[in-house]
Amino acid sequence: GQQVMQIPQYQHVQEGEDFTTYCNSSTTLSNIQWYKQRPGGHPVFLIQLVKSGEVKKQKRLTFQFGEAKKNSSLHITATQTTDVGTYFCAGRTPNTGFQKLVFGTGTRLLVSP
Amino acid sequence: GAVVSQHPSRVICKSGTSVKIECRSLDFQATTMFWYRQFPKKSLMLMATSNEGSKATYEQGVEKDKFLINHASLTLSTLTVTSAHPEDSSFYICSARGTGAPDTQYFGPGTRLTVL
Repeated sequence: GQQVMQIPQYQHVQEGEDFTTYCNSSTTLSNIQWYKQRPGGHPVFLIQLVKSGEVKKQKRLTFQFGEAKKNSSLHITATQTTDVGTYFCAGRTPNTGFQKLVFGTGTRLLVSP
Repeated sequence: GAVVSQHPSRVICKSGTSVKIECRSLDFQATTMFWYRQFPKKSLMLMATSNEGSKATYEQGVEKDKFLINHASLTLSTLTVTSAHPEDSSFYICSARGTGAPDTQYFGPGTRLTVL
């Protein structure tokens, strides 16, 4: 079954509000990647975190990798309508020899103007 | 960045026919290619991993005789859905990994398959 869970499944915010999606793995990950998929599109790579406790920022997006390398979060400050889409985390787990990229369940974000 | 293409982008076929989907790495050599399937509003589920010149490794529950994967060259992998049925309708996405950055996978634009 799915080893990487994300919450919430869906969130609807007003433009300007903040948004956070959380990613939790049942096992330690070698690294964590985040992707954004627009409706009808394919996943687009956003960022990769490797180190325990790592925090990276991309403009209004802040990514964090947990100390135990089992969880991660993506925070968007002051959302815009262009942020609409589904955000997936993805990581490599030890039971696949860290070879396969396992995707999280995804969080669908809707932003109203 | 590296580019991965898929062809066709969209295909509609009759039940019982076979459909071939191509995945190409355009500007790098892909030693490993991955095939994913995504149902509406769901996550990407890995179907199989293929390494150039060897047989694909299928995930549990994926029928290898139904989803034929060929990775004949370092820039091309194909997925053939044999005897397609309506339940095979899905979004099929390939991704490729090169030798230069083994932790990075580049995704193709996907192929939307509709089986009538």
